[in-house]
Amino acid sequence: DAGVTQSPTHLIKTRGQQVTLRCSPKSGHDTVSWYQQALGQGPQFIFQYYEEEERQRGNFPDRFSGHQFPNYSSELNVNALLLGDSALYLCASSLGGSNQPQHFGDGTRLSIL
Amino acid sequence: GENVEQHPSTLSVQEGDSAVIKCTYSDSASNYFPWYKQELGKRPQLIIDIRSNVGEKKDQRIAVTLNKTAKHFSLHITETQPEDSAVYFCAASMTGNTGNQFYFGTGTSLTVIP
Repeated sequence: DAGVTQSPTHLIKTRGQQVTLRCSPKSGHDTVSWYQQALGQGPQFIFQYYEEEERQRGNFPDRFSGHQFPNYSSELNVNALLLGDSALYLCASSLGGSNQPQHFGDGTRLSIL
Repeated sequence: GENVEQHPSTLSVQEGDSAVIKCTYSDSASNYFPWYKQELGKRPQLIIDIRSNVGEKKDQRIAVTLNKTAKHFSLHITETQPEDSAVYFCAASMTGNTGNQFYFGTGTSLTVIP
């Protein structure tokens, strides 16, 4: 049973560039949430996708956008990268409705130079 | 929005002793409270969760208690082992018609001394 997979594992970008991160949910899961985790901090909620629509969004600027595909996989896009965007980006998947256990991937470590 | 506070930020215990981590939340509408364990460089792993209709839940050496009135919940680890050393995060979430948003605490770094 495949768990949550994310790609790439590491990425280095420069300020002003754009980045796309990818996530495949755990088998059987249809909901994907994205989090930003700065060093030494807890994960911060970016947004959640269900049925190919963004249904919840945290306090992040619209430089952060996403997409969910019919196979439930998801992408996180960040435009006009800032130094402060350097973090571990985690994807979590869950099944259906609200308040179901979320299972995390290993994350993508994004470094902005 | 919801605000989750977690204490202590670091905790050291002797092997075999108990460890307790406490979290408070601000929004009384929150009704789901998971705990995650994150080892260095690894993904957060769900270790136990509790819903607001339950006051306590136990799974072997791990237990979670919830006090809805006081809006706080705690993680209890008994008979600690060196492999329990990790960062532990609490989180709170509320059911909504349009999905749910999880709010995480800032983490507790637990060290179990052999």
